[in-house]
Amino acid sequence: ETGVTQSPTHLIKTRGQQVTLRCSSQSGHNTVSWYQQALGQGPQFIFQYYREEENGRGNFPPRFSGLQFPNYSSELNVNALELDDSALYLCASSTPTRGRGTEAFFGQGTRLTVV
Amino acid sequence: AQSVTQLGSHVSVSEGALVLLRCNYSSSVPPYLFWYVQYPNQGLQLLLKYTSAATLVKGINGFEAEFKKSETSFHLTKPSAHMSDAAEYFCAVTQREYGNKLVFGAGTILRVKS
Repeated sequence: ETGVTQSPTHLIKTRGQQVTLRCSSQSGHNTVSWYQQALGQGPQFIFQYYREEENGRGNFPPRFSGLQFPNYSSELNVNALELDDSALYLCASSTPTRGRGTEAFFGQGTRLTVV
Repeated sequence: AQSVTQLGSHVSVSEGALVLLRCNYSSSVPPYLFWYVQYPNQGLQLLLKYTSAATLVKGINGFEAEFKKSETSFHLTKPSAHMSDAAEYFCAVTQREYGNKLVFGAGTILRVKS
């Protein structure tokens, strides 16, 4: 059973550019969530995808968008990058139930630096 | 809205000493609670979770946590700290309306002294 994998592991972008981060969910999981973890803070929920549809969104502007593909892998896209977007971006996949308390499995994260 | 407060951004213990990391939650509905550990430059690993079964939950690496509804707490403990326990620990609660969405605390960095 493969775990959650994210790519790339590190990325440096210039303010105003666009970035795409990728996540492959754990085998058998059809729910993917994305989190932003700024330095010294806890992860903040960006949005969640369930069976290719957005299933909840946190307090992030529309320039943060996502996709989920038929194989349940996912992308996070950020347009018009700002310096404050510099953070560790974490992807988590979970088992195919919509109930509460389901364990989320996290990837290693993508460290994005905006200069 | 649900929230989590972790008391103490940094905790330092000696090797072999008791580890106690504090977590208090706010929730208008029965919560599902989690503790995750994060090692430097890595993702989050689940230590344990409370899902309304036993109030004392045992996790990996000798950690356990007790759900106390009257105190709205879910503190993490380990009887004897090991050097390898040095990491950052996050308490999290699920938010009902979004299913598996996790609301995290700010984290506690655990330092273990030899």
